[in-house]
Amino acid sequence: GDSVTQMEGPVTLSEEAFLTINCTYTATGYPSLFWYVQYPGEGLQLLLKATKADDKGSNKGFEATYRKETTSFHLEKGSVQVSDSAVYFCALLAGQNFVFGPGTRLSVLP
Amino acid sequence: DTAVSQTPKYLVTQMGNDKSIKCEQNLGHDTMYWYKQDSKKFLKIMFSYNNKELIINETVPNRFSPKSPDKAHLNLHINSLELGDSAVYFCASSQGAGIGEKLFFGSGTQLSVL
Repeated sequence: GDSVTQMEGPVTLSEEAFLTINCTYTATGYPSLFWYVQYPGEGLQLLLKATKADDKGSNKGFEATYRKETTSFHLEKGSVQVSDSAVYFCALLAGQNFVFGPGTRLSVLP
Repeated sequence: DTAVSQTPKYLVTQMGNDKSIKCEQNLGHDTMYWYKQDSKKFLKIMFSYNNKELIINETVPNRFSPKSPDKAHLNLHINSLELGDSAVYFCASSQGAGIGEKLFFGSGTQLSVL
């Protein structure tokens, strides 16, 4: 079945450090790929998405590129801020089903 | 205006009780979902409705029963609550499930079963 795997957390970084959170997926066909972010005490909200191979999603300084050959959608940001501390979920949409990864907690220290 | 709203935000109850969580969306979306998030933040689909019709029903105990009176509402009723039901439950909606479709989430209901 369809599945999403992401790197185990928690990830702890200093402010202005470079961030990478790895995400790989397994799916039949050509899924749409997403990163969602969950801030403490809130629901998930869409961060960025990509709908086809080689598409790059970007928002708030975060980027991820849909790599069909490696079935990956790694999240990157060049300089993280304390306000980026949250749980990040990689997800795919295949058919009518959204499938989420287990989430990666990011803590950014001042 | 809150796009997807669910109530209550917190729910503390005893084992064996029956409780309901309500969800409403004002986005005009056709599809609504219930997700369960455990203590490790793992998010699992429970149900999905499209225009009041059940389309996804994952392996969930039949103590959980969703009800959709109209396409803007999807309520979750839980019978005979157990300790293992303690989690955060999220309602979500989407216009459909087409390419690039995205989910809009409510703020969650934290259920604690004592």
